[in-house]
Amino acid sequence: GDSVTQMEGPVTLSEEAFLTINCTYTATGYPSLFWYVQYPGEGLQLLLKATKADDKGSNKGFEATYRKETTSFHLEKGSVQVSDSAVYFCALSMNTGNQFYFGTGTSLTVIP
Amino acid sequence: GAVVSQHPSWVICKSGTSVKIECRSLDFQATTMFWYRQFPKQSLMLMATSNEGSKATYEQGVEKDKFLINHASLTLSTLTVTSAHPEDSSFYICSAGTGFNYTFGSGTRLTVV
Repeated sequence: GDSVTQMEGPVTLSEEAFLTINCTYTATGYPSLFWYVQYPGEGLQLLLKATKADDKGSNKGFEATYRKETTSFHLEKGSVQVSDSAVYFCALSMNTGNQFYFGTGTSLTVIP
Repeated sequence: GAVVSQHPSWVICKSGTSVKIECRSLDFQATTMFWYRQFPKQSLMLMATSNEGSKATYEQGVEKDKFLINHASLTLSTLTVTSAHPEDSSFYICSAGTGFNYTFGSGTRLTVV
């Protein structure tokens, strides 16, 4: 079945470090891919998305490229900030976007 | 932007009692809402699809008689955990929206003692 495998955390980085959170997927068709972020005490928020192969989603300095050949959608940021501390979820959706399959979430802590 | 309110944010209940969780779309109408559950260190798992005015569609392995879903209006869906047991302790979260634009509630931490 459709699924998402996400790098386990927790991840602790110093401010201004480079961030990569790996995400790979398994799908029978052509999914849309998402990264969601959950800040402490808040609900999930869409961070970025890509709907077809080779698309790059970007937002708030984060980027992820839809790689069909490697079935991956790794999240990257060149210079993290303390305010980026949160839990990040990779997800896919196969049809119109109304049903999501999530990874386990990766907790990121950025220290000053 | 679209706002989804979920209440309560946390609840502790005794084993055998029932707990109701509400999910409201505050500034838009949602014909479809989704309920997810997350056990510690596991993925968010879709439990059911809640459709306004009709019966919910449950994912395989989810007991529909235990997790009652009611979507009585275009802005409110409720999940009732009936006769809760400690193994039902989990994080429950709803989402609402259309197409790829889905907003999630803040989630409910349920602890059954």
